[in-house]
Amino acid sequence: GIQVEQSPPDLILQEGANSTLRCNFSDSVNNLQWFHQNPWGQLINLFYIPSGTKQNGRLSATTVATERYSLLYISSSQTTDSGVYFCAVRGSGTYKYIFGTGTRLKVLA
Amino acid sequence: DTEVTQTPKHLVMGMTNKKSLKCEQHMGHRAMYWYKQKAKKPPELMFVYSYEKLSINESVPSRFSPECPNSSLLNLHLHALQPEDSALYLCASSLRGDAYNEQFFGPGTRLTVL
Repeated sequence: GIQVEQSPPDLILQEGANSTLRCNFSDSVNNLQWFHQNPWGQLINLFYIPSGTKQNGRLSATTVATERYSLLYISSSQTTDSGVYFCAVRGSGTYKYIFGTGTRLKVLA
Repeated sequence: DTEVTQTPKHLVMGMTNKKSLKCEQHMGHRAMYWYKQKAKKPPELMFVYSYEKLSINESVPSRFSPECPNSSLLNLHLHALQPEDSALYLCASSLRGDAYNEQFFGPGTRLTVL
């Protein structure tokens, strides 16, 4: 099956700093999503981005499907950005989403 | 409305109890999913229903029994669970079950088995 690795595994930032989170996957995918899991466990949809670039406020994401990676950019980080960031991918011909290993982000005031 | 609801939020049960988790969506989605998430781990797929039919069972033990009574509702029946089944159980839905659809997650049920 598809392997999904995220880096870095842990990240501590001062409020206002910028960061880049990476998601590498081992095979071609038809679907890729980025999620933020808050401290209460809710998975919040950030981007549905099987290819290309999208922006939403301070967040943006880029997926280069041919090179099997996706990047999530967080600018001017805030304490409310703290939590775990997951990418999840789905290969062709399958219902199954595979989640990455996650990046645990802590933003300090 | 991009909302998936789950009840209860928290559940504590003994190993001999029978309980059910409920998931509901009114977005017209025809694929629904159960995931299990242990602490500090990513969610892992358990079951997929597509058009109310079970499409994927990821070799889940029979003490977990899913049910999809209609296109809006998904249940997970629990019986004779073990303490290691304690976890966050997440429900999700997507418009269809094929590869090109965005999944939306509910807030989860945090289950403790004593």
